[in-house]
Amino acid sequence: QKEVEQDPGPLSVPEGAIVSLNCTYSNSAFQYFMWYRQYSRKGPELLMYTYSSGNKEDGRFTAQVDKSSKYISLFIRDSQPSDSATYLCAMSASGNFNKFYFGSGTKLNVKP
Amino acid sequence: GAVVSQHPSWVICKSGTSVKIECRSLDFQATTMFWYRQFPKQSLMLMATSNEGSKATYEQGVEKDKFLINHASLTLSTLTVTSAHPEDSSFYICSARPHILAGGTDTQYFGPGTRLTVL
Repeated sequence: QKEVEQDPGPLSVPEGAIVSLNCTYSNSAFQYFMWYRQYSRKGPELLMYTYSSGNKEDGRFTAQVDKSSKYISLFIRDSQPSDSATYLCAMSASGNFNKFYFGSGTKLNVKP
Repeated sequence: GAVVSQHPSWVICKSGTSVKIECRSLDFQATTMFWYRQFPKQSLMLMATSNEGSKATYEQGVEKDKFLINHASLTLSTLTVTSAHPEDSSFYICSARPHILAGGTDTQYFGPGTRLTVL
């Protein structure tokens, strides 16, 4: 079993829809949770960074962490065609940013 | 802030030649730099971790004599693919972790990647 599971998609939604992207994990030591956006043939770009449980909002993006369920989510409101990309979740145990555990990435396509 | 660059962005070489890829943190000093490999439609696979002035730590299954890593300064790391073969063709991505005194969010910031094609 992988330490981080993420549905690879692809996920196709119409412009303006609310998008929900999710990851589950098995290691209860994970404390830091990141979401990266990766456009085709580009490097991952840090979108959201959260510590422990709770919600964090940044513009149209909201990250949620439920440590009791070992489940994290990224919500995108009012999705735009420019949001079309692959979204990677990443996690690390407390204080160990030298070791990231990545999901496989979910490919999102927002249709105009 | 937290910008990481890579050069070149793409390279095509003949089998048997060596290729050097540079990774630079442009606006911060990096305690640690990382090299990843990514195959199409797959996630990132960590190849090695390097600290400035120290030997790199390679992940299991990664040939250290094949993938030479030099971390010469707090802003520059290089990956040299020696005697490249077609199976080395891939997307190579570096990342950098800011020095503790640099401030900002402690995480990994990724470069734009280098696409290597070996003929």
